Amino acid sequence: DAMVIQNPRYQVTQFGKPVTLSCSQTLNHNVMYWYQQKSSQAPKLLFHYYDKDFNNEADTPDNFQSRRPNTSFCFLDIRSPGLGDAAMYLCATSRSSGANVLTFGAGSRLTVL
Amino acid sequence: AQKVTQAQTEISVVEKEDVTLDCVYETRDTTYYLFWYKQPPSGELVFLIRRNSFDEQNEISGRYSWNFQKSTSSFNFTITASQVVDSAVYFCALSEAVTGANSKLTFGKGITLSVRP
Repeated sequence: DAMVIQNPRYQVTQFGKPVTLSCSQTLNHNVMYWYQQKSSQAPKLLFHYYDKDFNNEADTPDNFQSRRPNTSFCFLDIRSPGLGDAAMYLCATSRSSGANVLTFGAGSRLTVL
Repeated sequence: AQKVTQAQTEISVVEKEDVTLDCVYETRDTTYYLFWYKQPPSGELVFLIRRNSFDEQNEISGRYSWNFQKSTSSFNFTITASQVVDSAVYFCALSEAVTGANSKLTFGKGITLSVRP
């Protein structure tokens, strides 16, 4: 009955080798978010989509990109992962704007060797 | 700019003890929302509560209760008769009510709660 599904749950990559993480939702929510969470830290918003409108956070490195081909799917692309990009990547959705409740996926843990 | 401070980093209690998790926030907005999320070891953040800035009533849900005080900019969370399953990281978060745009959630650093049998 998972409503926000992230794949893969665990991803190991080599330094500089591109990685794509995926997120799908069955909630038909308008907004999809990507958060980065490093060990023992708060989740940090990277960017989000409101429908097809992309909103990048000012301090998100160019190395991180995202695609949302349709309402249900959203991808996080890391073009050249560095050691500092090892983290848990959390996808979340919300119905619309305002202070809506976010529904999170279980996360994708990225290891960079 | 908005900010959420969770001064406690780790708390360890014995099962059946009561425990309070503190949260202090800063915002210049008069309308805002406060949240608590739970992150168990599985990793998925689970929504617990949302409270808007105009509603200072305390809330109780089973063993969970929340104390919102605007005068001290605090939104504390109490677990009564804690259980091992309560072991998790708990995040307090703040969202400004931005009309026509998307809610941006600012998280505190989280409190790791360990409940020992």
